[in-house]
Amino acid sequence: SQKIEQNSEALNIQEGKTATLTCNYTNYSPAYLQWYRQDPGRGPVFLLLIRENEKEKRKERLKVTFDTTLKQSLFHITASQPADSATYLCAPPSGGYQKVTFGTGTKLQVIP
Amino acid sequence: DAGITQSPRHKVTETGTPVTLRCHQTENHRYMYWYRQDPGHGLRLIHYSYGVKDTDKGEVSDGYSVSRSKTEDFLLTLESATSSQTSVYFCAISESQDNQPQHFGDGTRLSIL
Repeated sequence: SQKIEQNSEALNIQEGKTATLTCNYTNYSPAYLQWYRQDPGRGPVFLLLIRENEKEKRKERLKVTFDTTLKQSLFHITASQPADSATYLCAPPSGGYQKVTFGTGTKLQVIP
Repeated sequence: DAGITQSPRHKVTETGTPVTLRCHQTENHRYMYWYRQDPGHGLRLIHYSYGVKDTDKGEVSDGYSVSRSKTEDFLLTLESATSSQTSVYFCAISESQDNQPQHFGDGTRLSIL
């Protein structure tokens, strides 16, 4: 069955450094992958979508890569800020009607 | 922010009682979804709708039913609530074009005692 894995342990980094979060998937080949941010007590918010024919996608300080050979997507936040502290979820598609399957997320803490 | 309102935001009820959660959108999006989020499991799809009166089951649909009589409203019903259904419930919407993201409400925290 399809499986999505994100680092379950929290990631603590110093302000100003680059945070790198990992999303691995097995037993299928998604045509695209979405990344969301979730703050405590709030619903997830869409950040970026990367397609399988795109190696890299950027949006301001965010960068996402998609390696279909490794079956892995990396999510980078450069020049991290305490306001970037949140849980980040990856979500490949899981059938029609825009359905996706969410990973369990990685909690990022940026330390001032 | 996408116009999605979930109600109630918090609810405490007893085992065996029926519970209905409401999701209301003002975006006129075709697709709507109900998820539950639990520690260690992440977001899991309960039911979804691909149009008025068109719904289908997600991965954790047992014990839940849904209805969509209007584009803007998607109701989730627990016919006879159990303690295992204590969770945070999120509604999401999406446009029907390919590769569109989902937009989420702020959730309903449901406790079943």
